[in-house]
Amino acid sequence: TQLLEQSPQFLSIQEGENLTVYCNSSSVFSSLQWYRQEPGEGPVLLVTVVTGGEVKKLKRLTFQFGDARKDSSLHITAAQPGDTGLYLCAGSRGSTLGRLYFGRGTQLTVWP
Amino acid sequence: DTGVSQNPRHKITKRGQNVTFRCDPISEHNRLYWYRQTLGQGPEFLTYFQNEAQLEKSRLLSDRFSAERPKGSFSTLEIQRTEQGDSAMYLCASSFYSRAEVREEAFFGQGTRLTVV
Repeated sequence: TQLLEQSPQFLSIQEGENLTVYCNSSSVFSSLQWYRQEPGEGPVLLVTVVTGGEVKKLKRLTFQFGDARKDSSLHITAAQPGDTGLYLCAGSRGSTLGRLYFGRGTQLTVWP
Repeated sequence: DTGVSQNPRHKITKRGQNVTFRCDPISEHNRLYWYRQTLGQGPEFLTYFQNEAQLEKSRLLSDRFSAERPKGSFSTLEIQRTEQGDSAMYLCASSFYSRAEVREEAFFGQGTRLTVV
């Protein structure tokens, strides 16, 4: 069983639409990272959140860490074809980063 | 230095052969991680080092797997007597840890794709 559950697993939308990806757990995390991965490449770090309730914005992407630090969401406004990729959330449970627990990912496809 | 570097990018090997992968972390990073990713899954943790010390190993890291970071810089991951189930993307990441760093972040390399035939 995955420590972090991501939903939806697949998302196919038209350019200009908004979307939200969820990352949920019954466990508390000391920090949570969001990555984007292209086929055949390694994950690229988008953001790190460490405080319960924290909201971080990266252009059209908004990331939120739940108040209890058990869940997170990624919201994309006005999606573009360049946003296409696998979005992964990963959480750390220790006092330092250490081992990351990854979700299975959300495969996003944005059609022109 | 532009990021974490992994070599080779691709490796095809016959079942039963040994393979070794190399990872060069971002130069000032003292922590180095190995993960494995199979199709349709997120990366799974294998092991990590702080400088040359191996701090944690996953139960996924069977006796056939060994990782080293002898001088606290680059690391190697060796798989002995490869099996078809070892086919996966092997990812390396690095981070800078200090007691003063609240927002430690891990940066990944491009991975080594292993195919065991």
